[in-house]
Amino acid sequence: ILNVEQSPQSLHVQEGDSTNFTCSFPSSNFYALHWYRWETAKSPEALFVMTLNGDEKKKGRISATLNTKEGYSYLYIKGSQPEDSATYLCAFFYGGSQGNLIFGKGTKLSVKP
Amino acid sequence: NAGVTQTPKFQVLKTGQSMTLQCAQDMNHEYMSWYRQDPGMGLRLIHYSVGAGITDQGEVPNGYNVSRSTTEDFPLRLLSAAPSQTSVYFCASRLDGYSNQPQHFGDGTRLSIL
Repeated sequence: ILNVEQSPQSLHVQEGDSTNFTCSFPSSNFYALHWYRWETAKSPEALFVMTLNGDEKKKGRISATLNTKEGYSYLYIKGSQPEDSATYLCAFFYGGSQGNLIFGKGTKLSVKP
Repeated sequence: NAGVTQTPKFQVLKTGQSMTLQCAQDMNHEYMSWYRQDPGMGLRLIHYSVGAGITDQGEVPNGYNVSRSTTEDFPLRLLSAAPSQTSVYFCASRLDGYSNQPQHFGDGTRLSIL
């Protein structure tokens, strides 16, 4: 059974703090690792799709790294703002070249002003 | 650009009733899928389609049917609703079945079965 684990489950930080969280996934048969941002009462939105070991992606104050050999990815947020409050999902692509995503349970980030 | 459109947004059913959740996308995406979101669990795949005329089961397909007669539409049918199907349902699409394409989600349908 494929398992995608995210930690921590929730995180409370102050505005201006930098933070990071982890996604762990199977290290064999790797195709891609996706990150999504999910705001309350909205739908998940794609942040990054990462395919290569050592990949680093950046979008504004949010960045992500990928280690496919050990099966983990980190998401970093620099100088957190209240608008960063959301649940961050990672998803492991499985099932071959035309497969599906298995999602972790997410890390819920709350940023206090 | 509408993206992925789901209807209805909310629905209450009685046990044993049937209904269809609608999903449409206007991005000419080949791949479409349905997920359910339950408290304390990640998004779980119900059914998916890699193109018109092609559908397959995901992780939790029991109690649900799908069809894909056009590229744009991917309806999800509950044949005989059960309280265990109370959930939030999300439709998603991506350009094709390959791993490097991000998924686009609809706004969700909140379904309660009494």
